[in-house]
Parts: sequence; C-alpha cells; structure tokens
Amino acid sequence: GQQVMQIPQYQHVQEGEDFTTYCNSSTTLSNIQWYKQRPGGHPVFLIQLVKSGEVKKQKRLTFQFGEAKKNSSLHITATQTTDVGTYFCAAHQTDSWGKLQFGAGTQVVVTP
Amino acid sequence: EAQVTQNPRYLITVTGKKLTVTCSQNMNHEYMSWYRQDPGLGLRQIYYSMNVEVTDKGDVPEGYKVSRKEKRNFPLILESPSPNQTSLYFCASSLVGTGGNQPQHFGDGTRLSIL
Repeated sequence: GQQVMQIPQYQHVQEGEDFTTYCNSSTTLSNIQWYKQRPGGHPVFLIQLVKSGEVKKQKRLTFQFGEAKKNSSLHITATQTTDVGTYFCAAHQTDSWGKLQFGAGTQVVVTP
Repeated sequence: EAQVTQNPRYLITVTGKKLTVTCSQNMNHEYMSWYRQDPGLGLRQIYYSMNVEVTDKGDVPEGYKVSRKEKRNFPLILESPSPNQTSLYFCASSLVGTGGNQPQHFGDGTRLSIL
C-alpha cells in the first residue's frame, strides 16, 4: 500500500542557513499536505499541493510537488529560530481518501 | 473561536481500565479522525469518520473503538488499555472536499500513560 517516507529525520541548522526536507512515495499521490508542529504543540496546516510540478511559496518557505506526483519538498531559506519544530508531509490514500498518511517528520533545531 | 477540543489533556491509568477520550469540534466539519504520535513514527491514523454513523479503520485500529453519533463529537474508546497504547493522541477534523483535499484542524492532544 501507499507509504510516505520523509527525510531527513533530524536537521540541525545554523540561523540564517537554508535547508530542505523531502517527502517520497512509491505510488502516485493525488495531493500532498505539509504541517508544522512546534515543540509541545499540535500539527498546524501549512499548505497543500495538488498539481504536477506545482510550486508554492509562503514567505521564506517554498513547497514543491514533483512532476510525477511521487515526491515533494519543503525548502526554508534564511532559517530563523521561529522555524524550530517538526515538519510533516501527509497524503490521502488514492483508493480510500479518508485515510491520511503522514511521514515520520523532520525535526528542525536552529542554532543561533 | 473555531476549534477542536480534546479531553482529558493528560491521563495516567492502569492496564485494563476502560477509558474514553472525547473530541468535539465546532466547525461543522463532516470528517473527523484520530491519530497517535510516537517518537520516530510520525502520526499514525487510528480511525476516521466521513460523517455521522460512518466510521472506518486507519492504519493502527487494533485496541481502539470509535463512534460518531453526532457530527460534532468523535470519542476514542480504549476498552482494555495496555501499556503499548501509551502515546500522544490527536483528534482532527476537516471539511469533505473533492478527493479529500482539505486541511486537517487538530486538537491540542491527549497524553495517555498506561501503567
């Protein structure tokens, strides 16, 4: 069945640097969502990508959906301490869209 | 204020003692879902509901029950809790859109410890 893999699991970043987290699936996805969970908090929706090759930006965050709709990435430029948290990708199963699968998450630590 | 409310926020209990975690949303969402979060595993879906009286299994349903008698409420029931159900639990809700492309709104979480 559909599996959503996310790498890296941990990311230590110096403040001001860029980093990217990746989400990969063995099957074609109908859509992909990204969430952010601050330490001690709950996941908060960031964005959703639906179209092949789609690119969306939110200030310093750039989200991309692969041409084959099997992978996605989140790129953060000029990392700030407010970017600390765990970033998850999530995808609805195509044959049973009520099922939502999350990647294991990328935990981001920012060093001032 | 639009929100998903879970209770209790924290619970320590013993093996075999039935417990219920309540979840309520005030956004008139059709879709509701329960997840458990364990270190290194992300969020795993336990059960979901597309609407009243419609529930279905997620990836890890064993040992859990749910019911959806009203649109706003989606309780999670552990009939006979065991230590491997110690985890952080999240309830979420959303609208139902074409292909399920709707953002999930999460509650603040319930931390369960089963001794």
